[in-house]
Amino acid sequence: GENVEQHPSTLSVQEGDSAVIKCTYSDSASNYFPWYKQELGKGPQLIIDIRSNVGEKKDQRIAVTLNKTAKHFSLHITETQPEDSAVYFCAACGSSYKLIFGSGTRLLVRP
Amino acid sequence: GAGVSQSPSNKVTEKGKDVELRCDPISGHTALYWYRQSLGQGLEFLIYFQGNSAPDKSGLPSDRFSAERTGGSVSTLTIQRTQQEDSAVYLCASSLWGDIWPGGGDSPLHFGNGTRLTVT
Repeated sequence: GENVEQHPSTLSVQEGDSAVIKCTYSDSASNYFPWYKQELGKGPQLIIDIRSNVGEKKDQRIAVTLNKTAKHFSLHITETQPEDSAVYFCAACGSSYKLIFGSGTRLLVRP
Repeated sequence: GAGVSQSPSNKVTEKGKDVELRCDPISGHTALYWYRQSLGQGLEFLIYFQGNSAPDKSGLPSDRFSAERTGGSVSTLTIQRTQQEDSAVYLCASSLWGDIWPGGGDSPLHFGNGTRLTVT
């Protein structure tokens, strides 16, 4: 089955700097890769996703890149703000309906 | 519109007791999922419903765990004879249809805020 590894587990950046979170997946058949943001006491919220027929997708300050050959995908946050502080999860669609999640990255943006 | 609603938000129970966790999905969503999040860990898949049937129960940790969905809407996750290792946040999610990537449609998962279960 699908396995997703996520790095780093914690990331601390200065406000205004960029943050990058990386994930690798094992199942070459996976074709959908969402990123979720989880704030304290809340459920994960979808922030951006990418499908296997696209190499990069941007939405304002966030972007996701996908390298299918290497089975890597990454989340890039530019001009970080304190409200970006949260836990971020990557996921891969290992079947038509099941998302397999990474272990999460705790991002801290220092003002 | 209303999101996925879970109740209770917190549940403390004694070891050996049974607990029921409830999930109200977004209206019209045919697919419903339960995930478990242990402290500082990722999300572990438990079970997937399409309508009232559960074609994938592969993530349920033991036969003490069961779930049902009625009327294609509300779902209940039941844990019998709770153990301390059951302590976690149980998250429910729903999506418009089961296939997340059915060749192009948008059917992302929407999560509730979870039920934090503590077994003492």
